[in-house]
Amino acid sequence: ETGVTQTPRHLVMGMTNKKSLKCEQHLGHNAMYWYKQSAKKPLELMFVYNFKEQTENNSVPSRFSPECPNSSHLFLHLHTLQPEDSALYLCASSQRWTLASYNEQFFGPGTRLTVL
Amino acid sequence: RKEVEQDPGPFNVPEGATVAFNCTYSNSASQSFFWYRQDCRKEPKLLMSVYSSGNEDGRFTAQLNRASQYISLLIRDSKLSDSATYLCVVNQDGNNRKLIWGLGTSLAVNP
Repeated sequence: ETGVTQTPRHLVMGMTNKKSLKCEQHLGHNAMYWYKQSAKKPLELMFVYNFKEQTENNSVPSRFSPECPNSSHLFLHLHTLQPEDSALYLCASSQRWTLASYNEQFFGPGTRLTVL
Repeated sequence: RKEVEQDPGPFNVPEGATVAFNCTYSNSASQSFFWYRQDCRKEPKLLMSVYSSGNEDGRFTAQLNRASQYISLLIRDSKLSDSATYLCVVNQDGNNRKLIWGLGTSLAVNP
């Protein structure tokens, strides 16, 4: 048990739907991350929140909209997605967004998203 | 050149074998290096950090070669439970925060 939970675990949606992914961490961390993992591609950082403030947006299309109401919760709101957005979306947390050498990231189990 | 490059494998080895993975990185300013492990259909988990002088954790040894810009992971006495994908992770540049992930090397340890 990593202390990071994600819901739903699987999601199938049409291109016109709106859905949200939820992440919760029970580790007392201050930084939370959204990653995208596609087949045959490395893990891609999408967003970083540090102490509830967004500090990184890695050129992510606006059809992905993150929200971080507090240090324990992170959402990814999805709307008008494309089939190529189908992937595993992983949430992670760490003590804070700082020196990487002191900053082990703990991942949730991910949401397997399929866009039809 | 990819920022972080790994041989995707798969590496198929018998139990008890020694296996080594290499990873090259493109930015000479990178300062932090890690190996993560990802089991099939699971999330990545930190295996070990890689220190300049090299470091060992049980059957696992990590080495860093800054001059050639590569890191390595050596697994001795392979166990069935070592079967997984091993991800090389490097911080992007001197700001030492953003991590760049390799595609991973797949290892299958066979009985």
